[in-house]
Amino acid sequence: AQSVTQLDSQVPVFEEAPVELRCNYSSSVSVYLFWYVQYPNQGLQLLLKYLSGSTLVKGINGFEAEFNKSQTSFHLRKPSVHISDTAEYFCAVRNNQAGTALIFGKGTTLSVSS
Amino acid sequence: GAVVSQHPSRVICKSGTSVKIECRSLDFQATTMFWYRQFPKQSLMLMATSNEGSKATYEQGVEKDKFLINHASLTLSTLTVTSAHPEDSSFYICSATTENEKLFFGSGTQLSVL
Repeated sequence: AQSVTQLDSQVPVFEEAPVELRCNYSSSVSVYLFWYVQYPNQGLQLLLKYLSGSTLVKGINGFEAEFNKSQTSFHLRKPSVHISDTAEYFCAVRNNQAGTALIFGKGTTLSVSS
Repeated sequence: GAVVSQHPSRVICKSGTSVKIECRSLDFQATTMFWYRQFPKQSLMLMATSNEGSKATYEQGVEKDKFLINHASLTLSTLTVTSAHPEDSSFYICSATTENEKLFFGSGTQLSVL
């Protein structure tokens, strides 16, 4: 079974500052990793995903994440945040077998203020 | 791109009534669909996995007689919350997997039971 730990429940930052949202996972098999963003009262939007290949993954809205197998981490980063980045961010994992579900972390609330 | 349509987006019902939520894959055949629920400011919890033409697989702690899942075709899965009670109030989200293992989410259904 897989599990995901998002180390920070809330991350407050000022506009234009860099941000890192931390995610660690646990799995006995190879995994795929994802970051989703959820705005209030809305569904999920995929930011980026790691399936294989380059460990540095670039996503939408200027976000990127790096897969670190030795540290079992998949931290999300953005060099300069905007007010509009305020949202809930979820890290998710699934194994590489067909038909398996995503397992989500508890989420990190990113609050960007001016 | 692939789209998953979830309907209704919001429903209010009286305690004791049943509510049906539909999840449709609009331009692809979904080999597997997943149902999640999300309480306010919490993560998405997997409820069940459904494959077309077979019984759904429920996660531990999810009452299969209360949350009826039907996956009658490759483009439609339904979740029926039977005899709903206020504690069933939640945000329900479906997701569907394509044949090449791409995953898409519906926009969610906010259920409020009075």
